[in-house]
Amino acid sequence: DARVTQTPRHKVTEMGQEVTMRCQPILGHNTVFWYRQTMMQGLELLAYFRNRAPLDDSGMPKDRFSAEMPDATLATLKIQPSEPRDSAVYFCASGLVLVLAGRLQETQYFGPGTRLLVL
Amino acid sequence: DQQVKQNSPSLSVQEGRISILNCDYTNSMFDYFLWYKKYPAEGPTFLISISSIKDKNEDGRFTVFLNKSAKHLSLHIVPSQPGDSAVYFCAASDGSSNTGKLIFGQGTTLQVKP
Repeated sequence: DARVTQTPRHKVTEMGQEVTMRCQPILGHNTVFWYRQTMMQGLELLAYFRNRAPLDDSGMPKDRFSAEMPDATLATLKIQPSEPRDSAVYFCASGLVLVLAGRLQETQYFGPGTRLLVL
Repeated sequence: DQQVKQNSPSLSVQEGRISILNCDYTNSMFDYFLWYKKYPAEGPTFLISISSIKDKNEDGRFTVFLNKSAKHLSLHIVPSQPGDSAVYFCAASDGSSNTGKLIFGQGTTLQVKP
């Protein structure tokens, strides 16, 4: 049963500290997405990668957030320094790109999320 | 500008009856639509999808209908079960954009009463 895994599942930290969240995509998937879920914004796309290359990180606050994919089995999302407003659930999703009739279709599969609380 | 809208924040249905969740979109370039189900403290789980070349897709108790002219899709659950109680998100993507980006609605909380 292939699944996306995320660690840690919960993180409590103090303002100013660095936070690193990790994601292992489903083997064989070639895209990875990072989302943030808050009560106000719903599911907000932060960044995504295809074949380990960053395609779009326009949803991410650049001054404190960074996303990387050092290899095909690991994606990381880092916040430095963290702030209380970063408190949210962060989801990673992986997917497989299919092209049908010249148009791209992709189904994303989500991990369980990292619940972050910044005090 | 919310391109995908789920106008009903919540829905309550009796067990055994039909649940109908609705979703509207504004971008006519969207051509692939998905429904996800989310339980508390878990990630969204893929449920069912439909391509714009179809107007209906069925998988067991779940059927998704697409009305392109109205830019509307709906998810039917028949019969509804208490285990279906969750938040349901619809999502859409534009296949010509060369990205897999999904635009999500705000979600509808479904409660199925025993």
